[in-house]
Amino acid sequence: EVQLVESGGGLVQPGGSLRLSCAASGFTVSSNYMSWVRQAPGKGLEWVSVIYSGGSTYYADSVKGRFTISRDNSKNTLYLQMNSLRAEDTAVYYCARDPRSNMDVWGKGTTVTVSS
Amino acid sequence: DIQMTQSPSSLSASVGDRVTITCQASQDISNYLNWYQQKPGKAPKLLIYDASNLETGVPSRFSGSGSGTDFTFTISSLQPEDIATYYCQQYDNLPRMYTFGQGTKLEIK
Repeated sequence: EVQLVESGGGLVQPGGSLRLSCAASGFTVSSNYMSWVRQAPGKGLEWVSVIYSGGSTYYADSVKGRFTISRDNSKNTLYLQMNSLRAEDTAVYYCARDPRSNMDVWGKGTTVTVSS
Repeated sequence: DIQMTQSPSSLSASVGDRVTITCQASQDISNYLNWYQQKPGKAPKLLIYDASNLETGVPSRFSGSGSGTDFTFTISSLQPEDIATYYCQQYDNLPRMYTFGQGTKLEIK
């Protein structure tokens, strides 16, 4: 079964760091484009970042310079390193497979709360 | 940056009704548009890709149309399980980046 499972969310103080993980099963992360999407409480969806199968990475302007997307091919896992966190980064973070300029498989999400 | 304007923001309809949601791009995006359904507390689900292609396993009452700047998402006969928020999503390919519409919350009348 094709599946994505996120983990690593939690409560962090402003200015702090957190690393999210997204473990994949049923397909190979490194053979696909993979994205992170977030949703602030009661708000809409916001694309955050993508990593190409070739390794290139791109970010939304709102997180550029603070977040880093990466993957571990041996673990078939996607990551999102989040630094210099702000209150406005509070959201549910989803990882998604991105094979054809769309997102056809999603995880259930992990919640990040940035608050003092 | 391309802006996506989705309307209406909320919609109330009866079971069996035909429901239409629109999405307008601030510039020509060809057919680079997808539609997603999100039920409360759940992850989004891909319904339509490249403006008019039905994702595998999605019921045929869902459809999409349009190109350029104006796009339409239609549910031909609303079912109780269709209660959700629907999002359009524009994409660029060079590099791959996405913009979501604001969402349309669909409720049963």
